[in-house]
Amino acid sequence: QQPVQSPQAVILREGEDAVINCSSSKALYSVHWYRQKHGEAPVFLMILLKGGEQKGHEKISASFNEKKQQSSLYLTASQLSYSGTYFCGTEGASSGSARQLTFGSGTQLTVLP
Amino acid sequence: DGGITQSPKYLFRKEGQNVTLSCEQNLNHDAMYWYRQDPGQGLRLIYYSQIVNDFQKGDIAEGYSVSREKKESFPLTVTSAQKNPTAFYLCASSIAGPYEQYFGPGTRLTVT
Repeated sequence: QQPVQSPQAVILREGEDAVINCSSSKALYSVHWYRQKHGEAPVFLMILLKGGEQKGHEKISASFNEKKQQSSLYLTASQLSYSGTYFCGTEGASSGSARQLTFGSGTQLTVLP
Repeated sequence: DGGITQSPKYLFRKEGQNVTLSCEQNLNHDAMYWYRQDPGQGLRLIYYSQIVNDFQKGDIAEGYSVSREKKESFPLTVTSAQKNPTAFYLCASSIAGPYEQYFGPGTRLTVT
């Protein structure tokens, strides 16, 4: 079951904040976040494991609420370089040793000067 | 430099022909994956492999085949049975466990 991302698109001015949500209908073991620029490969941002740990680096952080089967990505004081499509990839709790990710359809983020 | 290479970047084929997409990694990763991406869509898993000589079907394996004869290589064949093969194909690899997947630059396949 594909996770649901919201919003589908967001437009910001440089310096503004944004939150992207990822919601799954099944129990999760981990949530991965990637950013993809047009025509390029996705680039890894962070992974959150079962346990509700919040992670982050610089001005991008994320949280994972395993009870609600939801994750949120927080972008603070956005920069022009943050523009791109953000995908969450979820791994089910019952996947065992197989690291099979199911990706959401993406959130297109545009940062304007 | 370590990384994943995919070739070619652009590929054009006539309908009814099989085509093989190359994926090579020198990261010493055990796991490798193939995804398909359509315009405005997320990534959908075609096949994945956790060790040499073993692979499993993903969500959309019909019309595709793979092999994993070497740890570094995981080629994908798009067969004539694939109804709508035009798409952006991404290969990825990772070490075993819940770790990040590294993606190659992708191959854009157009079938006419």
